[in-house]
Amino acid sequence: NAGVTQTPKFRVLKTGQSMTLLCAQDMNHEYMYWYRQDPGMGLRLIHYSVGEGTTAKGEVPDGYNVSRLKKQNFLLGLESAAPSQTSVYFCASNALGGTGYSYNSPLHFGNGTRLTVT
Amino acid sequence: AQSVTQLDSHVSVSEGTPVLLRCNYSSSYSPSLFWYVQHPNKGLQLLLKYTSAATLVKGINGFEAEFKKSETSFHLTKPSAHMSDAAEYFCALTPNTGNQFYFGTGTSLTVIP
Repeated sequence: NAGVTQTPKFRVLKTGQSMTLLCAQDMNHEYMYWYRQDPGMGLRLIHYSVGEGTTAKGEVPDGYNVSRLKKQNFLLGLESAAPSQTSVYFCASNALGGTGYSYNSPLHFGNGTRLTVT
Repeated sequence: AQSVTQLDSHVSVSEGTPVLLRCNYSSSYSPSLFWYVQHPNKGLQLLLKYTSAATLVKGINGFEAEFKKSETSFHLTKPSAHMSDAAEYFCALTPNTGNQFYFGTGTSLTVIP
């Protein structure tokens, strides 16, 4: 059981380039999330999705776009990369809770994508 | 408002001695609370969770945490540290409404042989 898989693992971009990070989960989870992790700042939510075809903004959405065309996949796009987007990106997913929210269901994380923008 | 504060950015213990990693929280609702561990170049792995059942929660690898509402704390403990416990630990909260998680800034645990 693979859980949450992120590709690629590493990437170096030049300022202004674009790229897409792919997240795939095989647990049939409804909710999926993209976080970025920066030293001393913990994890900050970029965007999330509560189901196929739906997305919402998190704490730090600027400069990123997302899509959830299939339930198992959640894509994070950078249209024009900036050095401030150098970070480690984590995808996570969880299941619906007992009353329709995910709050009782812990997050399952991928192993991350280390992105450097020069 | 929801927030998580991890009171120590770094903790260093000797192998075989107790571990205490401190987490305070603020929540407008009765929250669910979690501890995650992150080993180098890996994703976060769930250690344990509190979801309004027993206030003392047991997790994997001998870790425990106690939910103290009066102190708004959820500290992580382990009686005897092992070298393999060296990692980054994150406390997280989700209010029992909505589906957002709030993470602390992490505590780096060093275990000295």
